[in-house]
Amino acid sequence: ETGVTQSPTHLIKTRGQQVTLRCSSQSGHNTVSWYQQALGQGPQFIFQYYREEENGRGNFPPRFSGLQFPNYSSELNVNALELDDSALYLCASSSAGLEETQYFGPGTRLLVL
Amino acid sequence: GENVEQHPSTLSVQEGDSAVIKCTYSDSASNYFPWYKQELGKRPQLIIDIRSNVGEKKDQRIAVTLNKTAKHFSLHITETQPEDSAVYFCAATTSGGGADGLTFGKGTHLIIQP
Repeated sequence: ETGVTQSPTHLIKTRGQQVTLRCSSQSGHNTVSWYQQALGQGPQFIFQYYREEENGRGNFPPRFSGLQFPNYSSELNVNALELDDSALYLCASSSAGLEETQYFGPGTRLLVL
Repeated sequence: GENVEQHPSTLSVQEGDSAVIKCTYSDSASNYFPWYKQELGKRPQLIIDIRSNVGEKKDQRIAVTLNKTAKHFSLHITETQPEDSAVYFCAATTSGGGADGLTFGKGTHLIIQP
């Protein structure tokens, strides 16, 4: 198992609400990436944070936003939830400039009703 | 952007036989190719990765081959065991999983028949 943790494990929201998901990176890692995994699909890259700045972004709308804190932990915020946002949200930590291999956390399963 | 195709979507093999999963990628700038194993309800776990400066890498029963010219890479599992049953994902990126993120295939459900 990796040292990457996520909270909460499960969450149920209604359409239009806002949600915040949290991720603690593995010790020694300074970069956090977020992915959305729909049922039966591969993870899709949302964005990456390095040195508290967004370092790259996939094809997701602005209502998906994030933060990284000085201890390298990170938050994913989703506003105006839609039914299609129901998915497993995974964060992955890595060490920029070194091996850069990404290690995943257990994920947060979000259900939007 | 990068596009990764993965085949087959489901693979059933007898215990002890070999399994091969194939992926193709579209961006010739991609230079890092990891493979992840995901058991039901669990996180994706890195099982092996390869960078574009090598053609093959092996770790016990698992090996990965890369053909940069054809833009495809494959996962080989020998002497399959029941615990190998899972969904396997290939991925590609233009850096070590950096600002471009990993682009994943749709996954292969590997079933090991006893």
